[in-house]
Amino acid sequence: EDQVTQSPEALRLQEGESSSLNCSYTVSGLRGLFWYRQDPGKGPEFLFTLYSAGEEKEKERLKATLTKKESFLHITAPKPEDSATYLCAVQARYSTLTFGKGTMLLVSP
Amino acid sequence: KAGVTQTPRYLIKTRGQQVTLSCSPISGHRSVSWYQQTPGQGLQFLFEYFSETQRNKGNFPGRFSGRQFSNSRSEMNVSTLELGDSALYLCASSRTVQGNTGELFFGEGSRLTVL
Repeated sequence: EDQVTQSPEALRLQEGESSSLNCSYTVSGLRGLFWYRQDPGKGPEFLFTLYSAGEEKEKERLKATLTKKESFLHITAPKPEDSATYLCAVQARYSTLTFGKGTMLLVSP
Repeated sequence: KAGVTQTPRYLIKTRGQQVTLSCSPISGHRSVSWYQQTPGQGLQFLFEYFSETQRNKGNFPGRFSGRQFSNSRSEMNVSTLELGDSALYLCASSRTVQGNTGELFFGEGSRLTVL
């Protein structure tokens, strides 16, 4: 059974204070690992797809990396508008996505 | 381009009642997936429909059912509601089945409260 564990559950940062979110996973035959962002009262919004170990993707202040056992979402010099819940999901070949429970990020000005 | 539309956004029901939720996917998207989101369990997969056929089903009791129409719009139904069914129900659409893509476009959800 595919499993995704995200840590920490919640993270509070000061504006400009860089940090990383972790996503550990077990999956039989990884097709892809996905990061989504969810704002309060909204549905998740797609951010990145990573397909193989060593791959990296960047978008503004976010950078996602992937190893064979985990993925990191690095947030560089965050701003208050980066506050959201970040969800990680894995997908085995020809299967549906399995989501983690998310990391709630709060960035204070 | 219009996004995924879910109705109703909020609803309150009592135990034993049934509820029907509706989802209109992005134009051109033929796959619709449904998820249940709760604080304790996170996002859990209910089922996926593609071209009016259920392609995948999660580990939920038979009280949870769905269907898809020829215009790709989808509905899900929960019968004999229980308190534990209180959750945010999210619909996500994609051009093809989830097995071929992981990029899902989510609606804003229908928040169900069961009293």
